[in-house]
Amino acid sequence: DIQMTQSPPTLSGSVGDRVTITCRASQSIGSWLAWYQQKPGNAPKFLIYKASSLATGAPSRFTGSGSGTEFTLTISSLQPDDIATYYCQQYDKYPYTFGQGTKLEIK
Amino acid sequence: QMQLVESGGGVVQPGKSLRLSCVASGFTFSDYGIHWVRQTPDKGLEWVAVISYDGRNEFYADSAKGRFTISRDNSKNTLYLQMNSLRLEDTAVYYCARDPAGTTIYWYFDLWGRGTLVTVSS
Repeated sequence: DIQMTQSPPTLSGSVGDRVTITCRASQSIGSWLAWYQQKPGNAPKFLIYKASSLATGAPSRFTGSGSGTEFTLTISSLQPDDIATYYCQQYDKYPYTFGQGTKLEIK
Repeated sequence: QMQLVESGGGVVQPGKSLRLSCVASGFTFSDYGIHWVRQTPDKGLEWVAVISYDGRNEFYADSAKGRFTISRDNSKNTLYLQMNSLRLEDTAVYYCARDPAGTTIYWYFDLWGRGTLVTVSS
C-alpha cells in the first residue's frame, strides 16, 4: 500500500499568515492527489484535486502543488474559518489511501 | 443544494450484521459513482467500497471483501452498505461520498455526507 505522510501533525498560525502543509507519498503517484478540509463534527470537504486544481467553490487562498512523492497545500492568508484538520489522499493506486491529517490552529 | 445523508448506524455485537443507507438529493444520483469511506480516531480515513453509477461495478477494500456489500437503488436515490460478520475494528463513522466522474471512477470524493456512527461492541 502507498503510505501518505503529512507534516506537521499540528500547525499554528496567526490570521493573515501564509501556512503550508506537506504530504509525502511512499512512492510516486504522479499528480493523483486530493486535499480535504474537515472541521470538528463535520464531514470532510473537498478542496483540491490533481494536486493543484481548485475544487469548485473552494476559496482561492488555497493552493496545491507538487508531483511525484512530495506535495504541499498552502493557505496564502490564514482566516479564522480555516481552522480544521486537513487530509491528503492519493488516488493513483489501489488501495486509495489518506494521510493522517494536519490540525491547523490559530495562535 | 446537493446533499448526502447517511443513516442506519448503531451499536451491534461482533459477528452481527447492519445495513447503512445514504440518500442523495440536489443532483442526479444515477449519474455518479458513490463510495463508502470510514473514519476512526486511530486509523483515520479509510476507503471502504465504491459502486459505479449504474450499479454494474463494485470494488472493495481488502478489509471489506467478503463481508460488506455495496448496492444502490437509483429509483430511490439511495446507496446501501450491507455489513456482515462485523468485527470490533469496524467501529467507525461511515461516510458516503460522491465520485466526481460520471461513467468512470476517479477515486476521489467531491461531496460527502455527515456520516453515521457504527459501534461494534459486546
